Amino acid sequence: DGGITQSPKYLFRKEGQNVTLSCEQNLNHDAMYWYRQDPGQGLRLIYYSQIVNDFQKGDIAEGYSVSREKKESFPLTVTSAQKNPTAFYLCASSLGYEQFFGPGTRLTVL
Amino acid sequence: AQSVTQPDIHITVSEGASLELRCNYSYGATPYLFWYVQSPGQGLQLLLKYFSGDTLVQGIKGFEAEFKRSQSSFNLRKPSVHWSDAAEYFCAVAADQDSGYALNFGKGTSLLVTP
Repeated sequence: DGGITQSPKYLFRKEGQNVTLSCEQNLNHDAMYWYRQDPGQGLRLIYYSQIVNDFQKGDIAEGYSVSREKKESFPLTVTSAQKNPTAFYLCASSLGYEQFFGPGTRLTVL
Repeated sequence: AQSVTQPDIHITVSEGASLELRCNYSYGATPYLFWYVQSPGQGLQLLLKYFSGDTLVQGIKGFEAEFKRSQSSFNLRKPSVHWSDAAEYFCAVAADQDSGYALNFGKGTSLLVTP
């Protein structure tokens, strides 16, 4: 089955801790994206990567970091510098304009 | 800069009634437009997309959308709503190559279906 997997589904973090959200795709897509979703705000772009070993900041990159060492994987690290990290995080991949989304990870800061 | 506006935050319709969700966009060139649906706590599922050609596009689950360049709109319609259509709906426009074709989303419309 081709698709995008995100893990974990739920993640709890204490203030001051870094956490890493996993995103894996087996669709052989070149581009991958991370979006953050808050109630009533739609989705906002955090980072994107069009090819391996290259990535670009999106609209709300502060407090986040990413890596793209493999085509299939695009992990997102939420650092302690992110002031309000509690949100729903969605990963996507694309071949051209159409994006396919993973099931999301809900991060809660305690 | 591109932007997407969904004027209706919440919409309530009766089961079996028709539905129209509004979407307006701001984009200089020919837009690539999408409608996605999201059930609570889930990812986004693509309903339909418009790239070019026929301005009336058909999607999954009986949805359709019409691209109107003169009105900068891409409204989503369904002739008869089912209870299972209750969800959050997002309109999106693709950014250009400089932005990696990332999507700019509207803030969403929450659809409630009553018996």
